[in-house]
Amino acid sequence: DAKTTQPTSMDCAEGRAANLPCNHSTISGNEYVYWYRQIHSQGPQYIIHGLKNNETNEMASLIITEDRKSSTLILPHATLRDTAVYYCIVRVARNNNDMRFGAGTRLTVKP
Amino acid sequence: EAGVAQSPRYKIIEKRQSVAFWCNPISGHATLYWYQQILGQGPKLLIQFQNNGVVDDSQLPKDRFSAERLKGVDSTLKIQPAKLEDSAVYLCASSHGSDEQFFGPGTRLTVL
Repeated sequence: DAKTTQPTSMDCAEGRAANLPCNHSTISGNEYVYWYRQIHSQGPQYIIHGLKNNETNEMASLIITEDRKSSTLILPHATLRDTAVYYCIVRVARNNNDMRFGAGTRLTVKP
Repeated sequence: EAGVAQSPRYKIIEKRQSVAFWCNPISGHATLYWYQQILGQGPKLLIQFQNNGVVDDSQLPKDRFSAERLKGVDSTLKIQPAKLEDSAVYLCASSHGSDEQFFGPGTRLTVL
């Protein structure tokens, strides 16, 4: 079973920030938080990951709470092409076979 | 760089028939994964290879599913005989060590 809880769906206006929450209250000290997204009819795509510090790359920012029990993926300026299912996954970085996808959050960016 | 290639993209078969899917990972990626994604659900890992050896096949229904990765590059996933509940998208992914996984476009299987 997935170790995370995410809302089933969210909407966001084009050009606004999309904030996708994820709860992972049972996360262990050596587990990372990973985010992937899956655009319709494509395979999942890696977005970002982090351990305890906030992370930013060209796609998104990841904010992890101090107790590490929850996190938020931020798409700063959502576009229509960001419409996708977003998966939050917790795993030990070196154990690739521990990628357990839940149902994710379906984000719809609206014009 | 070229991504993960999969073929065919779509396949329709009758139940009890057999089917095979092919995957070519990103060059240099030693680790290869096969996932099953049923409509409305997230992907579920079926099998993981490290080079040509199996690392984890605990969720592979071994009575009907088989996979191989000869020579540690391309891989084939086979279902024989297929059941209605095998209708899903079969995703192949590869990674370099413990880095993030890169996914192919998937093969959509419909079993009638």
